Amino acid sequence: DTGVSQNPRHKITKRGQNVTFRCDPISEHNRLYWYRQTLGQGPEFLTYFQNEAQLEKSRLLSDRFSAERPKGSFSTLEIQRTEQGDSAMYLCASSRIAVLAEAFFGQGTRLTVV
Amino acid sequence: KNQVEQSPQSLIILEGKNCTLQCNYTVSPFSNLRWYKQDTGRGPVSLTIMTFSENTKSNGRYTATLDADTKQSSLHITASQLSDSASYICVVSATSGTYKYIFGTGTRLKVLA
Repeated sequence: DTGVSQNPRHKITKRGQNVTFRCDPISEHNRLYWYRQTLGQGPEFLTYFQNEAQLEKSRLLSDRFSAERPKGSFSTLEIQRTEQGDSAMYLCASSRIAVLAEAFFGQGTRLTVV
Repeated sequence: KNQVEQSPQSLIILEGKNCTLQCNYTVSPFSNLRWYKQDTGRGPVSLTIMTFSENTKSNGRYTATLDADTKQSSLHITASQLSDSASYICVVSATSGTYKYIFGTGTRLKVLA
């Protein structure tokens, strides 16, 4: 296991379509985070899981967004009825449960909505 | 509101020169502060982490400082290399029931030969 893996790396979709991204965290990490990053900005927090429980969701996560981590391992982020404003890099990170635990990031999924 | 602000927004320097990036934060209660390096199209990678009681931390040519009283941090890069060209993001972690990372907008550094 070499790190956090995200698929796909790139996704181009038409406005109104649904898309789903997958994140495979580092295997022993209990925490999993989703972030969104637009060009020239730092990542913005979307949601995070501790094992299979979704413990916090940002107000950025509208009702068109849903994230799951059904077995406490991989996670999916689905965006329904995509809009052009959803175009961004979606980053996944994972960490152990500890105050100083480092979050390791995947390489992200770049979404372009046309 | 918890915020992390960085300056400058972008910076161009010549290879071999030193530079210092700044980070101011209003995150409370403060847990720790990290500097991440993000290459274009990649996920961020941690460079240093500092807690409330630490004033400085080094990682090779990278040295981070923290003044928890003024809520300021800096990242000093010594003898810059072309591979240092990237975005450097200051990330502050708050302990408010959840361990959430609050990211700055980053400083985009370009090192020229």
